[in-house]
Amino acid sequence: AQKITQTQPGMFVQEKEAVTLDCTYDTSDPSYGLFWYKQPSSGEMIFLIYQGSYDQQNATEGRYSLNFQKARKSANLVISASQLGDSAMYFCAMRGTLSGAAGNKLTFGGGTRVLVKP
Amino acid sequence: GAGVSQSPRYKVAKRGQDVALRCDPISGHVSLFWYQQALGQGPEFLTYFQNEAQLDKSGLPSDRFFAERPEGSVSTLKIQRTQQEDSAVYLCASSPPEGGKTQYFGPGTRLLVL
Repeated sequence: AQKITQTQPGMFVQEKEAVTLDCTYDTSDPSYGLFWYKQPSSGEMIFLIYQGSYDQQNATEGRYSLNFQKARKSANLVISASQLGDSAMYFCAMRGTLSGAAGNKLTFGGGTRVLVKP
Repeated sequence: GAGVSQSPRYKVAKRGQDVALRCDPISGHVSLFWYQQALGQGPEFLTYFQNEAQLDKSGLPSDRFFAERPEGSVSTLKIQRTQQEDSAVYLCASSPPEGGKTQYFGPGTRLLVL
């Protein structure tokens, strides 16, 4: 079984500052993928960034970077230079083995609400 | 290009009614997923299709929940005899045939059972 834990229910961040959202995971799968999604008030889940368990380097996508520490089973999201439009719920998610039916589904954490202050 | 679309966006049902929620995946996407998101929580997996085959329905909470994708494109999630605990946002996602990393989500259907 897979489990994702996000311990920060909500955070305030000042505009233009960086913010780190915590995510820890638990799995027995030897190969897995980690995802971060953004969910604004409109409800749609927007893909932000992906990290494979065997990727040698931490993933980056624009202002988003993933601090992947495999031994600690953590995959924290860093948002640099926060903007007002970054205010949303953020979900960490995991997918198990990269093939097969059971491996395709995403397991989500409980989310962290981010509010960017002007 | 068009993303994943879902209809209706909002649905109010009386307890005991049947409802049908529709998902139009991105054209050419082989894999389709349904998730249920209760208020203030993360989405939870319901079921997974590869083309028209339902390969995983382990997340369906009861036999009142039924999903189909008869032609391998549009999918319908049906809930029979709705209960108040079925109130949630139902999210549909699709991913491309090369087994890409990303699932692309629709805007969801918000179901309220009174």
